[in-house]
Amino acid sequence: AQSVTQLGSHVSVSEGALVLLRCNYSSSVPPYLFWYVQYPNQGLQLLLKYTSAATLVKGINGFEAEFKKSETSFHLTKPSAHMSDAAEYFCALYNNNDMRFGAGTRLTVKP
Amino acid sequence: GAVVSQHPSRVICKSGTSVKIECRSLDFQATTMFWYRQFPKQSLMLMATSNEGSKATYEQGVEKDKFLINHASLTLSTLTVTSAHPEDSSFYICSASNLRGPSYEQYFGPGTRLTVT
Repeated sequence: AQSVTQLGSHVSVSEGALVLLRCNYSSSVPPYLFWYVQYPNQGLQLLLKYTSAATLVKGINGFEAEFKKSETSFHLTKPSAHMSDAAEYFCALYNNNDMRFGAGTRLTVKP
Repeated sequence: GAVVSQHPSRVICKSGTSVKIECRSLDFQATTMFWYRQFPKQSLMLMATSNEGSKATYEQGVEKDKFLINHASLTLSTLTVTSAHPEDSSFYICSASNLRGPSYEQYFGPGTRLTVT
């Protein structure tokens, strides 16, 4: 069975500080992994994806994530938070036409 | 490119009535469309997967007679909530994968907020 676990349902950072959102996965086969962002009352926007190429993946809006097989992790980072980054973030795992989402992490950015 | 639209964006209906939500891929053909349900402050839960021209595959616990899915063309899938009740109030999101792209690439619609009174 495959699953995704996001550690921390709520993360709060100051503007300009490092953003770190954690995601661990469980999969019996090499996974495809994704990070999505959701703003209130909107759908999901793809930030970045890992599809077995480079382990360090760069996405939009300055976000990046590193696939670490030994740690079964795919944490999302951004060096400097911006107020506009405040949103809900979902880590997801895809395998065999089945997309599984983590519970989500709400990011708050304080001025 | 790869835009998915949903209509309506918000709908309020009375208990016992039926509501249809449309999901369209605007600039690509979608072999597969997915329907998700999201409760407040929770993650997305897959309800069903639909392939053009065939019956939808429902996830365990989802009533197929209550949530009717039709995928009549490569650009349109509809979800009909029949005999809606207040507990059906939720945010419904669809996604689509491109016929000419990898299956893991899903494009999400903006969602439909359903409120049943």
